[in-house]
Amino acid sequence: DTEVTQTPKHLVMGMTNKKSLKCEQHMGHRAMYWYKQKAKKPPELMFVYSYEKLSINESVPSRFSPECPNSSLLNLHLHALQPEDSALYLCASSLRQGYGNTIYFGEGSWLTVV
Amino acid sequence: GEDVEQSLFLSVREGDSSVINCTYTDSSSTYLYWYKQEPGAGLQLLTYIFSNMDMKQDQRLTVLLNKKDKHLSLRIADTQTGDSAIYFCAVLSGGGADGLTFGKGTHLIIQP
Repeated sequence: DTEVTQTPKHLVMGMTNKKSLKCEQHMGHRAMYWYKQKAKKPPELMFVYSYEKLSINESVPSRFSPECPNSSLLNLHLHALQPEDSALYLCASSLRQGYGNTIYFGEGSWLTVV
Repeated sequence: GEDVEQSLFLSVREGDSSVINCTYTDSSSTYLYWYKQEPGAGLQLLTYIFSNMDMKQDQRLTVLLNKKDKHLSLRIADTQTGDSAIYFCAVLSGGGADGLTFGKGTHLIIQP
């Protein structure tokens, strides 16, 4: 089983709303990732968590706030987003962070900011 | 940093073989991946190859790696309509700690 589960699949939110995207895996993976993908573009790395600690923040605006409450869960809290933040948000996981560790992706959460 | 290049479109006839090419710049990239993305879906890991290999075959998929030219290819034999998707080449960069660097993706179009 190489399943990464993301909820919700679709989210529409206003610019003043606060919402969260959730991601779950039960593969015993200790590295989890958030990627952002705009239409017709490749995914871009946002955050990496390794052993529940934030390892990489790719200069993401503070209106995106990641959280890793335990080794199976990864959240992305959203607040005061802009319409240009509308995109597919992909969660991924791997056994460890680094070489030799295949990264598995979820189906993504489609976010529309109005 | 790492740069990964792919052509944007490939059109093939149903039943023919498809060959999707990818070039990368970081010679220390040791793990290379192919992901498939269908419309409205996430990324599905298709296959991967390590730099100590030249070729890997998995059913209809064949991956070839030319480390000297930093060139990776994915061959899909007997291409079917269900193979229509965007195919991303991806490499681990920064010692593997920085996550994946993706190419722009190749849109595979199947002609009947």
